[in-house]
Amino acid sequence: KAGVTQTPRYLIKTRGQQVTLSCSPISGHRSVSWYQQTPGQGLQFLFEYFSETQRNKGNFPGRFSGRQFSNSRSEMNVSTLELGDSALYLCASSLGGNRGTYEQYFGPGTRLTVT
Amino acid sequence: DAKTTQPTSMDCAEGRAANLPCNHSTISGNEYVYWYRQIHSQGPQYIIHGLKNNETNEMASLIITEDRKSSTLILPHATLRDTAVYYCIVRGNFGNEKLTFGTGTRLTIIP
Repeated sequence: KAGVTQTPRYLIKTRGQQVTLSCSPISGHRSVSWYQQTPGQGLQFLFEYFSETQRNKGNFPGRFSGRQFSNSRSEMNVSTLELGDSALYLCASSLGGNRGTYEQYFGPGTRLTVT
Repeated sequence: DAKTTQPTSMDCAEGRAANLPCNHSTISGNEYVYWYRQIHSQGPQYIIHGLKNNETNEMASLIITEDRKSSTLILPHATLRDTAVYYCIVRGNFGNEKLTFGTGTRLTIIP
């Protein structure tokens, strides 16, 4: 079974621009979560989508948004990029649902550099 | 989600068992203990999780104390490829997929 895939793997953008990152979960997984990892703040939860609905949200400004499609693929968007948005963005998928706790499987990440 | 405390770093000789401790004294009855690891610049990798019983899989064993206030991840025969940052995470209720990562333990396997 194929793992979680993220595209692109590397991205360089300029301050003020916007960016869209994509995540394809493991087949059959309905939950997709996004995390930001920086040297200063570590791994931080951005948001989680389940069945096309945002179910959980972390403490990030409204410039960070996401969505999930009917095939469970997810995108996250960052508008008006700032230098501090330079980070590794990780996507994780799991079966999701409300009847158990499920392990999450992470993709390789997208390395975003804002100049 | 309950807070976890882990040592900042540990060393272990190759071939020996690596025992990584985690304190989670405020864990509640329905919270699970999860372990993930992250090898440099890769996405975190799921290792194991448990509620109150000891668990074992092909990667590791998880020992949870009877009062559930602490746990130990055991890598039985550490190899150089086990060098990574290991995260102990206590996760909330069903339907909550959020993982709250701390600073983890940087495990270095010494040849």
